[in-house]
Amino acid sequence: GNSVTQMEGPVTLSEEAFLTINCTYTATGYPSLFWYVQYPGEGLQLLLKATKADDKGSNKGFEATYRKETTSFHLEKGSVQVSDSAVYFCALESSGGSYIPTFGRGTSLIVHP
Amino acid sequence: GAVVSQHPSWVICKSGTSVKIECRSLDFQATTMFWYRQFPKQSLMLMATSNEGSKATYEQGVEKDKFLINHASLTLSTLTVTSAHPEDSSFYICSAIHLERAGEQYFGPGTRLTVT
Repeated sequence: GNSVTQMEGPVTLSEEAFLTINCTYTATGYPSLFWYVQYPGEGLQLLLKATKADDKGSNKGFEATYRKETTSFHLEKGSVQVSDSAVYFCALESSGGSYIPTFGRGTSLIVHP
Repeated sequence: GAVVSQHPSWVICKSGTSVKIECRSLDFQATTMFWYRQFPKQSLMLMATSNEGSKATYEQGVEKDKFLINHASLTLSTLTVTSAHPEDSSFYICSAIHLERAGEQYFGPGTRLTVT
């Protein structure tokens, strides 16, 4: 079956530091890959996505590249802000249109001023 | 556009009572909605897939008689937790599939249920 593995948190950084949150996946076929962000007490918001190999998703300074050869979709940001503090979820959806996602466990990011 | 709302945002109920949570797609039609449960500091657990005009599809281990799902219209799905117990206390999140946006999934803000 499908699975998503994320690095365990919390990840604690100082403002303007470089961020990497690792995500690897197991799936058959060619899944679409997503990063969602959840701020405290809220639902999930789509941060970025990539639908095929070598695609790069980007939004709000965050980037992730779909690497089929390493089955990875690592999230990066060059300079984090305090407002980026949240929980980040990596997810995949299988090809075939079921729309049912598989989520990773989430990685908490804490950014200090 | 593509906003999903949930009501209520939080609710406290007594053991043995039932509580209904609404999920609405405000500016698009959604034939498919999902209901998730999230425990503190954990990922989302898919409970069921709600399809407009048909019965919901429940994930393994989810009691369909306890978590009643109704998707009566293209913009509304409801989750009713029947005979609630303290272990049902959780954060419940719904999402809706936007077919006109290549199946992108939009999430509601969640409902915090506390059963006393």
